[in-house]
Amino acid sequence: GNSVTQMEGPVTLSEEAFLTINCTYTATGYPSLFWYVQYPGEGLQLLLKATKADDKGSNKGFEATYRKETTSFHLEKGSVQVSDSAVYFCALTNSGGYQKVTFGIGTKLQVIP
Amino acid sequence: DAGVTQSPTHLIKTRGQQVTLRCSPKSGHDTVSWYQQALGQGPQFIFQYYEEEERQRGNFPDRFSGHQFPNYSSELNVNALLLGDSALYLCASSQPGLAAAPDTQYFGPGTRLTVL
Repeated sequence: GNSVTQMEGPVTLSEEAFLTINCTYTATGYPSLFWYVQYPGEGLQLLLKATKADDKGSNKGFEATYRKETTSFHLEKGSVQVSDSAVYFCALTNSGGYQKVTFGIGTKLQVIP
Repeated sequence: DAGVTQSPTHLIKTRGQQVTLRCSPKSGHDTVSWYQQALGQGPQFIFQYYEEEERQRGNFPDRFSGHQFPNYSSELNVNALLLGDSALYLCASSQPGLAAAPDTQYFGPGTRLTVL
C-alpha cells in the first residue's frame, strides 16, 4: 500500500536558518505529492504540491521537487521566520485512489528569534 | 469564497455515547472526505463521499458512518464512543476530478472530540 515517511521532529532552528525536512514515499503508479502545514490549534493548509516527476512546487518561499528516482519530496526554505513555526505534513494521493490522502506523521518546526 | 467549514469546533462526550459532526464543502466542490487525527499523529483517512454515496473507506470500524446530502454537505457519525476516539476530526473537500488525476483536497479547521 501507500506510505509516507518523514524525518522525526521536532526541528528547532534560529531565524534566517536554512530548512530541510526530508520526505520519502512508497506508492504504485504515479502519485501526486503534497506538503500541508498545520499551525497551532488549526486545521491543515495546503502549502505546495507537485503532480509529476521533476515538477517543483513552491509557495511562500518553500519549495519541494518531485524526485521519482529517489521517491522523495523534500521540503526546503532558504531563510525561515518565527511565523513558520508549525507542523509540516508530507502527503500523497495515488492515481486511481479517488483522492484519498496518505499522510506522514508530521514534523514539528520551531523557529526561535 | 467560503472555504471548508465544520461544526462544532469542540465537543465533549462520554464513553458509549453517539456523536454527529458536520461539514460544508468549499464552493464548487462535491466530494467530501473525513480524516481522524490523533494527538501527535498524521491524519488517517476514514471515508469519502461522492454523489451521496460512500466511495472509499479506510480501516475504521462500522461504528463510523457518514452521510452526504444533496447540497454536498456531509455528516460523520460515531456510535458507542471509546476513549480512543478522542481526536481532531478533519473534513476535506475537492472537485471530482478523475481517479487517474486526483484533485487537491482542501481541509476545514476540524472538530476536536474529547471522550471521557
